[in-house]
Amino acid sequence: DTGVSQNPRHKITKRGQNVTFRCDPISEHNRLYWYRQTLGQGPEFLTYFQNEAQLEKSRLLSDRFSAERPKGSFSTLEIQRTEQGDSAMYLCASSSIAGNEQFFGPGTRLTVL
Amino acid sequence: ELKVEQNPLFLSMQEGKNYTIYCNYSTTSDRLYWYRQDPGKSLESLFVLLSNGAVKQEGRLMASLDTKARLSTLHITAAVHDLSATYFCAASHFTGNQFYFGTGTSLTVIP
Repeated sequence: DTGVSQNPRHKITKRGQNVTFRCDPISEHNRLYWYRQTLGQGPEFLTYFQNEAQLEKSRLLSDRFSAERPKGSFSTLEIQRTEQGDSAMYLCASSSIAGNEQFFGPGTRLTVL
Repeated sequence: ELKVEQNPLFLSMQEGKNYTIYCNYSTTSDRLYWYRQDPGKSLESLFVLLSNGAVKQEGRLMASLDTKARLSTLHITAAVHDLSATYFCAASHFTGNQFYFGTGTSLTVIP
């Protein structure tokens, strides 16, 4: 399978715990994006990488959130001290530099109890 | 910030009927995208529209873009049950990378 993959697919955690999600983009894609989607809403942009550089961050990305893409391949999104409001689907997408289309992964559904 | 609005939010239609979903966006955008999402699943890319007057068709779905009116439409022809899903439009600035999504249109096709 050459699509975008995300792990884990589901995560249940207690409030206050830290969680980390992983995204593996399509192998030749330089750009990687993180979005958050809550029930009944469209995805909201969180952050974007070009290779290993984090080029853009949304105001939604509070200081409890950190994303990395250390070698310009896979990326991780960590949420520290989770809150119930963090419960959402976290989507990763990738694209090539020349491409206009973003291809989405299956998402990680986070539930904070 | 680019704002994207879709209507209707919910659409229930009978098989065989035609209907149109509308997507308006607030500021200049030369790029408009349509995605489909099934319940609990991720987003599947349907169409990429990159210029004024662009029209693309795939099966029973046809998308168009009018950048002067800041409007894109997704037209459904002779709906079938398999088209039941939520449809999102998204826009981006010409030089930007962030996609701004609408709230989606939940389509149910009734046999």
